[in-house]
Amino acid sequence: GQQLNQSPQSMFIQEGEDVSMNCTSSSIFNTWLWYKQDPGEGPVLLIALYKAGELTSNGRLTAQFGITRKDSFLNISASIPSDVGIYFCAGPDYGGSQGNLIFGKGTKLSVKP
Amino acid sequence: NAGVTQTPKFRILKIGQSMTLQCTQDMNHNYMYWYRQDPGMGLKLIYYSVGAGITDKGEVPNGYNVSRSTTEDFPLRLELAAPSQTSVYFCASSYAQQGTYGYTFGSGTRLTVV
Repeated sequence: GQQLNQSPQSMFIQEGEDVSMNCTSSSIFNTWLWYKQDPGEGPVLLIALYKAGELTSNGRLTAQFGITRKDSFLNISASIPSDVGIYFCAGPDYGGSQGNLIFGKGTKLSVKP
Repeated sequence: NAGVTQTPKFRILKIGQSMTLQCTQDMNHNYMYWYRQDPGMGLKLIYYSVGAGITDKGEVPNGYNVSRSTTEDFPLRLELAAPSQTSVYFCASSYAQQGTYGYTFGSGTRLTVV
């Protein structure tokens, strides 16, 4: 099956700073999804991307579908304490799991007030 | 609008005991999934179902069983609990199997096997 590699694994930032994280794969994806998991909760869908080069925003969050279709990026502008959590990228695994979603290992974000 | 509901939220099991993790959804989704989450390892698919009466193995099915007798319910069964099954378990459902519109997750069951 395919694998998704997320970086960085963790980030410690000051409130107000901008954040960038990415997700890469050795295989092509037709859909990229970004989820956020708050402590003690299940992941919640933030942004979905369906087309190479697509740039989509959700409030202070902006995600991009890479031109090569093998990567995606998530940016958070002017971070606030409630941005704390784990951010996962995900995509349909057509190779080994009949299109079920596979997930990266996540980027853990900590924000200092 | 409940979405995906999981029970219990926490459970401690002794090695060799069995239990069922409950999952129910009220969105009339055909597709349902069980994932486990270990620290720093992301989410791994255990089992999935494309509709009532149909289930299939995911990436890490050993030690687990599932059933899908109704559209709404998708319980996960651990028959002989082992310490390696200590994890957080998430149930999810979706309108489309191929993740096109994402999955809706429950809030998880944190299981410790001692």
